[in-house]
Amino acid sequence: AQTVTQSQPEMSVQEAETVTLSCTYDTSENNYYLFWYKQPPSRQMILVIRQEAYKQQNATENRFSVNFQKAAKSFSLKISDSQLGDTAMYFCAFIPGEGNEKLTFGTGTRLTIIP
Amino acid sequence: NAGVTQTPKFRILKIGQSMTLQCTQDMNHNYMYWYRQDPGMGLKLIYYSVGAGITDKGEVPNGYNVSRSTTEDFPLRLELAAPSQTSVYFCASSYPWRGRNSPLHFGNGTRLTVT
Repeated sequence: AQTVTQSQPEMSVQEAETVTLSCTYDTSENNYYLFWYKQPPSRQMILVIRQEAYKQQNATENRFSVNFQKAAKSFSLKISDSQLGDTAMYFCAFIPGEGNEKLTFGTGTRLTIIP
Repeated sequence: NAGVTQTPKFRILKIGQSMTLQCTQDMNHNYMYWYRQDPGMGLKLIYYSVGAGITDKGEVPNGYNVSRSTTEDFPLRLELAAPSQTSVYFCASSYPWRGRNSPLHFGNGTRLTVT
């Protein structure tokens, strides 16, 4: 079974600064996918960024980037030039590369951007 | 294109009452899921379905039942509501997604309180 751990229940950062959210996972799979989802107060679940384990290059989506360390089973999210709209819960999630379609989520990090 | 639609948005139940959370999707997705999100926690899988007529248990199925008579609908039934079932419930759907953007399309959630 896979597990996903987010060790930072809450974080806050000043607007325009950079913040990094941590995620570690445990799996025996060699091929898998990792995701960061954002959940604003509206409760929507919004995909922020994804990473395929077979790709060595870290994924980037505008101000969002990841630091994927496969050997260490680490998948951190960096938000640059943070904005007030980035205030939300952030969930790290894992899905194996083959077989079942079930996402496993971490417990989340509540991020607050301070004006 | 409505995506994944959940009803109701909010509900308060008394202990021992029953109810059905409705979920429908109009994307012709094979896979559908029910997750629950407890305060300060990540999403945990209750049940999932890989197609009409097929359902399977997730991580936390006790106290719930599901059915999948059509591709579009995946209702979640609570037979004897208990305070431990107070949570936010998310329905999601997906198709065999490897290589596409988000593996899951989420509804906006149902906040259920059992008192």
